[in-house]
Amino acid sequence: QVQLVQSGAEVKKPGASVKVSCKASGYTFTSYYIHWVRQAPGQGLEWMGIINPSGGSTSYAQIFQGRVTMTRDTSTSTVYMELSSLRSEDTAVYYCARGRTFISSWFDYWGQGTLVTVSS
Amino acid sequence: DIQMTQSPSTLSASVGDRVTITCRASQSISSWLAWYQQKPGKAPNLLIYDASSLESGVPSRFSGSGSGTEFTLTISSLQPDDFATYYCLHYNSYFRTFGQGTKVGIK
Repeated sequence: QVQLVQSGAEVKKPGASVKVSCKASGYTFTSYYIHWVRQAPGQGLEWMGIINPSGGSTSYAQIFQGRVTMTRDTSTSTVYMELSSLRSEDTAVYYCARGRTFISSWFDYWGQGTLVTVSS
Repeated sequence: DIQMTQSPSTLSASVGDRVTITCRASQSISSWLAWYQQKPGKAPNLLIYDASSLESGVPSRFSGSGSGTEFTLTISSLQPDDFATYYCLHYNSYFRTFGQGTKVGIK
């Protein structure tokens, strides 16, 4: 069965970076795009960006440009999301989610979420 | 960027009630819209895609309609398991946008 399994919770200080992983299984890794979505405590869902595991190309939401980097390792079917220059407002649960195409596709499977806490 | 305006932000309803949630897009998105249910501490769960297609395994009391800029999620008879927060998502472009969410609570 399709699974997206994310790395564990992180606590970081302001100004630091965090790297969250999302390991895919149960399907052909390079056939589906991976998106990252975050949710601050008590808030709604915010789309961060997309990576094509096949070629590694990425597109990011403008508000994260320059701070976010998405990469993949096809040998382990894992996607990574690194967010730098962390501030308290980045405290959130970060989700990876699968989509069939670059556009015109919804998210059908989600990871379990990774809580990132930014605190001095 | 396409903005999604979801309403209401909260609603209170009783078991058995018919519930309707609306999402409006700032420009036409054809039928490129999905609906998700989210419970506390859990990832969102897909209910509807392409505006009106029911995801496999989702109860038939959930339905979606609309196209262009106005969309509706309807729960025909609210069940205890349906008390949750609901989000719409557009996928008309690579830049996805969610609605602000609708929390469905017990009256």
